[in-house]
Amino acid sequence: GENVEQHPSTLSVQEGDSAVIKCTYSDSASNYFPWYKQELGKRPQLIIDIRSNVGEKKDQRIAVTLNKTAKHFSLHITETQPEDSAVYFCASLKSGNTPLVFGKGTRLSVIA
Amino acid sequence: SAVISQKPSRDICQRGTSLTIQCQVDSQVTMMFWYRQQPGQSLTLIATANQGSEATYESGFVIDKFPISRPNLTFSTLTVSNMSPEDSSIYLCGADSPRGYGYTFGSGTRLTVV
Repeated sequence: GENVEQHPSTLSVQEGDSAVIKCTYSDSASNYFPWYKQELGKRPQLIIDIRSNVGEKKDQRIAVTLNKTAKHFSLHITETQPEDSAVYFCASLKSGNTPLVFGKGTRLSVIA
Repeated sequence: SAVISQKPSRDICQRGTSLTIQCQVDSQVTMMFWYRQQPGQSLTLIATANQGSEATYESGFVIDKFPISRPNLTFSTLTVSNMSPEDSSIYLCGADSPRGYGYTFGSGTRLTVV
């Protein structure tokens, strides 16, 4: 089955710097790649997603890139702010009727 | 995307007892999923809840321990049976969106077994 690897497990950045989190997946049939942000004690919240027919997607300070050939995708957060501190999970999906497979998460700390 | 109400939000239970967790979605969704999340860990899929058929369980999870119901397209329950302290965790339900992507999650149930 699908396997999603996520790196790094922890990341600390200074406020205003950029943060990059990388994921790789194993199943070439996967075609949807969401990113979730989970604050302490709260549910995972979808922050951005990308489908396999697109190489890059941007939403204000966050962007996701996808390299289908290499089977990896990345989350980019620019101009980080303390409220970006959270655990971020990448995930992959083969079709709309299958469950998400999650990476192990990255704990991002933005230091003011 | 769908909005999911999950209850209870937390509970402390005696070992050997059972707890049923409920999830209500504000729109009809094809698939609902149940995940377990240990503190500081990722989400581990327990099972996929199919309407009108038995749930599909992942390796390591069995129906006798985690019976699931899915009576209609907006509701599902997960029961944690014959609980032991090892079952202490956060349990999350998830659902696909009506368009098939953008899965959302319930607020979670923090279960402590004593």
